[in-house]
Amino acid sequence: SQTIHQWPATLVQPVGSPLSLECTVEGTSNPNLYWYRQAAGRGLQLLFYSVGIGQISSEVPQNLSASRPQDRQFILSSKKLLLSDSGFYLCAWSVLQGLGNEQFFGPGTRLTVL
Amino acid sequence: DQQVKQNSPSLSVQEGRISILNCDYTNSMFDYFLWYKKYPAEGPTFLISISSIKDKNEDGRFTVFLNKSAKHLSLHIVPSQPGDSAVYFCAASGLDTGRRALTFGSGTRLQVQP
Repeated sequence: SQTIHQWPATLVQPVGSPLSLECTVEGTSNPNLYWYRQAAGRGLQLLFYSVGIGQISSEVPQNLSASRPQDRQFILSSKKLLLSDSGFYLCAWSVLQGLGNEQFFGPGTRLTVL
Repeated sequence: DQQVKQNSPSLSVQEGRISILNCDYTNSMFDYFLWYKKYPAEGPTFLISISSIKDKNEDGRFTVFLNKSAKHLSLHIVPSQPGDSAVYFCAASGLDTGRRALTFGSGTRLQVQP
């Protein structure tokens, strides 16, 4: 069966510090991978998605970047965090089958920027 | 421009009764729709989906109805249980995003009263 891991679970960082959040998937090959953010009291906003190693699509301009160094590893980074980067970050994976695009989410990382 | 809208931020229902959660969309390219359930500080869990070639899909206590002409879908939970209390997100995908990206609504918080 497939599992998805995210770490750390919670993170408190000062403004201007760097960020690295990691996501790994087990039990599937060549998944599509996604990074979402949920700001307080709001829905899920897609930040990045990747259909393969080194292939990253950015959905919104922002202070963040993503990388996919291995098939089942997806990393979210920032060189200098802003207060507005605070939120709940979720990684997800999917495998396209016909019309279906069920995405399966990791446990999330709560980021607080002070 | 919100392409997927959940206009009710919250809903309260008595245990044993039916819960009806609604979702509207504006993008006519969407052809696959999903519902997710989310507990606080956890990732969303996939519940049920429906493609645009159907108008109803049922899975146990959960049924999703799709009205394409009205660009409206709903999730029915019968009977509702206290463990169903969570935030429910509607999501959609379509040809214009290569069926890869999901667009989420802002969520509806369901409270099932014992």
